[in-house]
Parts: sequence; structure tokens; C-alpha cells
Amino acid sequence: DVKVTQSSRYLVKRTGEKVFLECVQDMDHENMFWYRQDPGLGLRLIYFSYDVKMKEKGDIPEGYSVSREKKERFSLILESASTNQTSMYLCASRYYRGSADTQYFGPGTRLTVL
Amino acid sequence: KQEVTQIPAALSVPEGENLVLNCSFTDSAIYNLQWFRQDPGKGLTSLLLIQSSQREQTSGRLNASLDKSSGRSTLYIAASQPGDSATYLCAVEVDSNYQLIWGAGTKLIIKP
Repeated sequence: DVKVTQSSRYLVKRTGEKVFLECVQDMDHENMFWYRQDPGLGLRLIYFSYDVKMKEKGDIPEGYSVSREKKERFSLILESASTNQTSMYLCASRYYRGSADTQYFGPGTRLTVL
Repeated sequence: KQEVTQIPAALSVPEGENLVLNCSFTDSAIYNLQWFRQDPGKGLTSLLLIQSSQREQTSGRLNASLDKSSGRSTLYIAASQPGDSATYLCAVEVDSNYQLIWGAGTKLIIKP
């Protein structure tokens, strides 16, 4: 079974803090994704990565950056957290782009910025 | 630009009923359509994936259909159970860049 883990289930930070969200997958997947989920808005793609050291902006990259130094790990960084970044953050992975396969999700990190 | 809509936003039905959840999309150039389930405060679990060349997929009590020409998909749940209570999300994988475009979900409550 594919397993995607996220470093924290719940996180509380203060405005202006630098925040790191970590995601690890154990199935040698090439593609990894970071989404945020807000009530009534569905999932919105922040960043994705097709391979190590490669990253692409999604629909809402402003205020975020990412890092993928190893294939299994994809980190989301909030350089200076703001209250409007309070949200549920979901990480996902997939074998490769164009594969007839779904995305596998981690349990999510609920981030609150005070 | 592809848009995905799910109606209704919430649905409450008695246990044992058969039910249908709806998903519509604006651009028929899709690679596939996927249905996911999300339990409160949890991540998403894939239920069914329908390739663009397929018309339907089945898994147990779940059946998903796809009509690309009309931009519609339905998720049919037979003999609903309280354990089916969750939010169901529909997503289409865009043909051009293989990204998922998501609906906002339907929150389903099955009353015992």
C-alpha cells in the first residue's frame, strides 16, 4: 500500500513565523503535490514537483515555496506566515504524469496562524 | 478554463436508500475523472477512476459513470449505510497538463 505521511496533524504558529510542512512518500513516486483546502473552495494546487529538484507553480503559489531534495520528500515552506494561510494542507503523490493512476493523499496538516 | 461543479453541496438520506451524486465539468478534454472520499479532518481516499475512453467503473456498492459529451459524471451508491457518511469530491485530470481540477464536494449524511 502507498503511504504518504505528513509531519504534523495540527500546527499553531504566529504571524510572521517561518513554517515548514514536510511530506514523505514510500512508493518511489515521481510526482508530488501540495494543496490547500478551504470550506466551499475545494482543493487548490499550491505547487507540484515532477522530479527531484523540479518544481512548478500551481494556482495559488503566492506566499509559499517548496523544496524537493530527495525523491521521497516534498516540503512546503511558508516564509512569513499570515492569518490568511490558516487552512488544511494536503500532500499527495503519484507514480508519474500521465499514468493511469490516482493521487495518494496524506492525512493533512491543519495549520492555524494567530 | 476547466471548472468542476458538484451539486448538491450537502445531502441527507435515510439508511438503505440508493442515491446519486452529481459532478459536471465545462471542458470535455479530460484525461480521466476521479471520485474521492474524505472523512472529517482526514485526507482523501480514491474511490473510482474513469479513463476518458471509458463510460463507467464499479467497486462494490459504488458505480461511477462518465459522459464526456455532456460534461457529466454521477456516483451511484447502492443500499447506503451510515459508514458512507463523508464528503465526496470529484476531480478531472486535464488533458493538457495532467493536473487535477476539483469540485467543492458533496457532504453526505446517512441517517440510521
